[in-house]
Amino acid sequence: DTGVSQDPRHKITKRGQNVTFRCDPISEHNRLYWYRQTLGQGPEFLTYFQNEAQLEKSRLLSDRFSAERPKGSFSTLEIQRTEQGDSAMYLCASSLGGTLRLAGYTFGSGTRLTVV
Amino acid sequence: TQLLEQSPQFLSIQEGENLTVYCNSSSVFSSLQWYRQEPGEGPVLLVTVVTGGEVKKLKRLTFQFGDARKDSSLHITAAQPGDTGLYLCAGDYGGSQGNLIFGKGTKLSVKP
Repeated sequence: DTGVSQDPRHKITKRGQNVTFRCDPISEHNRLYWYRQTLGQGPEFLTYFQNEAQLEKSRLLSDRFSAERPKGSFSTLEIQRTEQGDSAMYLCASSLGGTLRLAGYTFGSGTRLTVV
Repeated sequence: TQLLEQSPQFLSIQEGENLTVYCNSSSVFSSLQWYRQEPGEGPVLLVTVVTGGEVKKLKRLTFQFGDARKDSSLHITAAQPGDTGLYLCAGDYGGSQGNLIFGKGTKLSVKP
């Protein structure tokens, strides 16, 4: 078990460009979550998957954001037409489902996005 | 809207001092988790509390869940510089929601 992996660790992009982040969860975990964290704030929920199904999306997730988990394994988060306000740390986490999620989430190290 | 309020936001203390961090909500949690986060890294789970009134200890850290399951506290005894970091509480409101709601965190700095 290598934990939750996120790639890339850092991304600098110009405003208006598209970016895609990848998350590889713990293999036994059927739930996968995306959070966004800005400086001085706690993580804010964006969306989560149970297996390949996207079960919930936050109102923070504008139409420019899309997430997929095609085979219930890794997930991608794409941001189209990036804006400076998208600059943040994007965190991925995974957990077991149902009451087993009480065992806690395992977070990746995050992808730091800077939009210039 | 379910909000989790943490206090204080910042705490700077000397090595050896004790401290308490609070996490409060107007809503009832089915469970509450505490995480610690270091700069440039993701949060790492410290503990999950589930039962009202529950107390859990992790070495010098003591976690308490309020009787009504609306609040929690984290107490650190004899803080050390290695305790420095961002402490986050996260509430699970159960039901059909699958996501944790995080507080803004308490940034702790322990000086030698």
